[in-house]
Amino acid sequence: EAQVTQNPRYLITVTGKKLTVTCSQNMNHEYMSWYRQDPGLGLRQIYYSMNVEVTDKGDVPEGYKVSRKEKRNFPLILESPSPNQTSLYFCASTSLGQGNIQYFGAGTRLSVL
Amino acid sequence: KQEVTQIPAALSVPEGENLVLNCSFTDSAIYNLQWFRQDPGKGLTSLLLIQSSQREQTSGRLNASLDKSSGRSTLYIAASQPGDSATYLCAVRPKGGYSYNTDKLIFGTGTRLQVFP
Repeated sequence: EAQVTQNPRYLITVTGKKLTVTCSQNMNHEYMSWYRQDPGLGLRQIYYSMNVEVTDKGDVPEGYKVSRKEKRNFPLILESPSPNQTSLYFCASTSLGQGNIQYFGAGTRLSVL
Repeated sequence: KQEVTQIPAALSVPEGENLVLNCSFTDSAIYNLQWFRQDPGKGLTSLLLIQSSQREQTSGRLNASLDKSSGRSTLYIAASQPGDSATYLCAVRPKGGYSYNTDKLIFGTGTRLQVFP
């Protein structure tokens, strides 16, 4: 089954404690992205990757890092989380060969205390 | 700057009604428009994708139309059911410059639909 898998689904942490949210896709997609979703603001892109070792900033990259060492994985790293990073996070991957449909993971709800 | 707006923000209808959800965007330079469904506590499920050269797409009881020149798309849901209750999001993939390579979709804030028995 084609899917984008994120872990963990729920996470509560404290300010300053480094964390990583993992994302993996099994569709061999080149493009992957991270979004955050906040009430009233919709989904906003944090970072994206066009292929292995190729990443770039989206609209709201401050406080986040990513890496793309393998095609299937695209982890999101918060080196020093702050309360304003409390949000719902989505990982996505894009199929360039199927009309550019973007597939989303189930989301990670993060609370930073 | 591309902006996407969805009206209404919330909608409550009795089961069986046909309904229309609206999406408007400010810049017609897009590659495609995608409609998603989001259930509480779950991710986004792609419902329909319309390429910029297309006028509409259909899947079961769903029909999405695109009028790129006027910056509008509608999602038509026929014979609504309680299981259709969810938030519906539209998103455009903007065109121009290097924007295609950003893999970015610009989302509206969604329409929360409730279908009651």
